[in-house]
Amino acid sequence: NAGVTQTPKFQVLKTGQSMTLQCAQDMNHNSMYWYRQDPGMGLRLIYYSASEGTTDKGEVPNGYNVSRLNKREFSLRLESAAPSQTSVYFCASSFQTRGLNTGELFFGEGSRLTVL
Amino acid sequence: GESVGLHLPTLSVQEGDNSIINCAYSNSASDYFIWYKQESGKGPQFIIDIRSNMDKRQGQRVTVLLNKTVKHLSLQIAATQPGDSAVYFCAETRRGGKLIFGQGTELSVKP
Repeated sequence: NAGVTQTPKFQVLKTGQSMTLQCAQDMNHNSMYWYRQDPGMGLRLIYYSASEGTTDKGEVPNGYNVSRLNKREFSLRLESAAPSQTSVYFCASSFQTRGLNTGELFFGEGSRLTVL
Repeated sequence: GESVGLHLPTLSVQEGDNSIINCAYSNSASDYFIWYKQESGKGPQFIIDIRSNMDKRQGQRVTVLLNKTVKHLSLQIAATQPGDSAVYFCAETRRGGKLIFGQGTELSVKP
């Protein structure tokens, strides 16, 4: 049981380049999330998907797009990377019912992105 | 405004002592709180949660206390061990599932 798997684990981009972070979970969770974590700070929500086919903005969505490809996969895309997007990105999933979080979020190991 | 914050950025304790990590929140409508532990280079891991209709919840060596009157949350770790060294985050969830994290407290356990 792999849990939440993120790829790639490390990436270096030049300003203006694009890339997609992939995330997959094998726990049959309906909700998935993308967070970013900057040094000395907590995690900030970028986008989330409460269920397959739906996505919503979080606290810091600007500069990002997401796709909930199916129940297992939730990708995060940077169309034109900027140095301010240098961060560690975490994907997470959880099981929710009727809009309530019924328990913990399961996080991936993180993807460390540097934009030069 | 809405925020979840921690009183202390760092906490150093002696092995075997009890640790108390505090958290303040500002939104009285928050109905669910979670504590996460994040070890270096890893993603956060769930420790314990509590709903707003509870004041206290106990787990294995951990206890979470919720004081809704002053919007305060604390995590107590009994008999702290070196393996407890990590950054601890409190987080609140509101209806719809948005989890808002505090900034974190780094716990350092001295042998």
